Amino acid sequence: DSGVTQTPKHLITATGQRVTLRCSPRSGDLSVYWYQQSLDQGLQFLIQYYNGEERAKGNILERFSAQQFPDLHSELNLSSLELGDSALYFCASSAGQGPISTDTQYFGPGTRLTVL
Amino acid sequence: SQQGEEDPQALSIQEGENATMNCSYKTSINNLQWYRQNSGRGLVHLILIRSNEREKHSGRLRVTLDTSKKSSSLLITASRAADTASYFCATPPRSARQLTFGSGTQLTVLP
Repeated sequence: DSGVTQTPKHLITATGQRVTLRCSPRSGDLSVYWYQQSLDQGLQFLIQYYNGEERAKGNILERFSAQQFPDLHSELNLSSLELGDSALYFCASSAGQGPISTDTQYFGPGTRLTVL
Repeated sequence: SQQGEEDPQALSIQEGENATMNCSYKTSINNLQWYRQNSGRGLVHLILIRSNEREKHSGRLRVTLDTSKKSSSLLITASRAADTASYFCATPPRSARQLTFGSGTQLTVLP
């Protein structure tokens, strides 16, 4: 158990819909990262928040957005869903600001999103 | 494009044998990390090697790093069925804060 929790575990929805994925980082960790893992694209970094502020941005679509709240939990919002958005979405947390400081990232169990 | 690429894509060995996976990357790095992922589960951090280190050990794991060749290897000794998983290398390029993962090596350890 990494100490990172994600809800829900599974989500099945239809194209065009909007969903929110939630992540609670390990106690004391200030950084939250979101990743998307699909069969064709592999594991892709989406976005990082550090202590409530956006820190780094990866291959995140404009239809997707995220935020980190004062209690450090984070939400990833996916809108206008398409079939290709079906994937595993992982959240990770680390104590510091990111890989340059050799932070270890601890991953949650993931949310499996299926878009029908 | 991927920063790190693992080789082989898939590896199948008998329990008790050693497993070696390789990772190549493209740009200068501060460190290189190896992660394990059991099917459909989250990634688990295995080991981090800094750019000024050449070799690092952790239990049955041995990681080497050759910055001149931009490559790393992960050796799992005396493999067990429980080592069956996908193994990813992850590199944070000096120019970016994010981790970039390769496509992984699927290791199957047969009992």
